[in-house]
Amino acid sequence: AQSVSQHNHHVILSEAASLELGCNYSYGGTVNLFWYVQYPGQHLQLLLKYFSGDPLVKGIKGFEAEFIKSKFSFNLRKPSVQWSDTAEYFCAVITNTGGFKTIFGAGTRLFVKA
Amino acid sequence: NAGVMQNPRHLVRRRGQEARLRCSPMKGHSHVYWYRQLPEEGLKFMVYLQKENIIDESGMPKERFSAEFPKEGPSILRIQQVVRGDSAAYFCASSPSPQRNQPQHFGDGTRLSIL
Repeated sequence: AQSVSQHNHHVILSEAASLELGCNYSYGGTVNLFWYVQYPGQHLQLLLKYFSGDPLVKGIKGFEAEFIKSKFSFNLRKPSVQWSDTAEYFCAVITNTGGFKTIFGAGTRLFVKA
Repeated sequence: NAGVMQNPRHLVRRRGQEARLRCSPMKGHSHVYWYRQLPEEGLKFMVYLQKENIIDESGMPKERFSAEFPKEGPSILRIQQVVRGDSAAYFCASSPSPQRNQPQHFGDGTRLSIL
């Protein structure tokens, strides 16, 4: 079955620290990959997406993610986090056999200390 | 403004009552997806609908849950005879077409609490 794994459920960082959130998916075919962010009490917002081409994807708010096909990974990175990045982050995948439904990871809660 | 409108934002029901959750997709979107988010878990797909059609309901519980997306009006997720385990946040998403490269746009969710 298709699934998405996020390695860390909770991450605590100080401001200006670097961030890397792990994401692995299980599916051998073509995938489209996404990272969403959910600020407290708000809806999910798209941070970035990968469809094809350059495996290093730039998103909003200084986030980027790298697709490594051989590792089935799509890790999210930010060189220097801010207090306002405190939120929950979800990795997600749409496959070409999943009926176009989005499969989400369990999420990673990031808390940035000021 | 999220574009996808869900109401109510918060819904409280007693065990055994019915819950109705509404979702109006973004303008121009005719594909609607419902997801459930349980505490400490990610979003789980429930159902995918187009106007007047259920395309994929593989994530829907077999009993008590139903969904519709009529020709006119919002999509409705209906939960009959609610139980405590139905307490969750229910998110609706929409897209203009069922393409892999179309990210879905999410509403603010309905937080359902069962007393």
